[in-house]
Amino acid sequence: SQQGEEDPQALSIQEGENATMNCSYKTSINNLQWYRQNSGRGLVHLILIRSNEREKHSGRLRVTLDTSKKSSSLLITASRAADTASYFCATKKYSDDYKLSFGAGTTVTVRA
Amino acid sequence: NAGVMQNPRHLVRRRGQEARLRCSPMKGHSHVYWYRQLPEEGLKFMVYLQKENIIDESGMPKERFSAEFPKEGPSILRIQQVVRGDSAAYFCASSPAVQGATRGEQFFGPGTRLTVL
Repeated sequence: SQQGEEDPQALSIQEGENATMNCSYKTSINNLQWYRQNSGRGLVHLILIRSNEREKHSGRLRVTLDTSKKSSSLLITASRAADTASYFCATKKYSDDYKLSFGAGTTVTVRA
Repeated sequence: NAGVMQNPRHLVRRRGQEARLRCSPMKGHSHVYWYRQLPEEGLKFMVYLQKENIIDESGMPKERFSAEFPKEGPSILRIQQVVRGDSAAYFCASSPAVQGATRGEQFFGPGTRLTVL
């Protein structure tokens, strides 16, 4: 079964607005990662947050992690047309040494 | 330093043919992972290999699918007697030994898009 579930499935915003998407998961994790996938392309690693961290920033990205609620959020501030892509969360469980479990993704469209 | 390389990028096969997908990990990486992505879905883990060893193939169908990572050369994902349901994007990822693998840092290739006619 899928470990991560993203919400919403799709998001459309105006350039300059912020985009927020959420990820919920089911079991304890070692870390949670966010990836971006442009249409028809491979995955680009955005940010990794460990289970003992609550918030992390990278440029215009802000990730939070709430292990008590088993959820994470990704915020993209001041969005640009180039941010149009699908965003996936992926979790690595304690019991697994290596597997990443992906959600179905959030498709973000940034309108110019 | 080149990233993970996959070829071909696009592959078209007729039902019953064989598909061979190749993956060259990043330089210095000895761990390779294969994932499959069906349309409108996330990636699903298939198999994890180290040089000359299959560590975990729990996500790979028992029949028609096989993977290898020889001492020399790229990792190969082989699908025999393809069916339409095999149409998907197949991604390879790699990680360095030990710490990279346990932290879950994986670097992804651009994928091979397989279309079965």
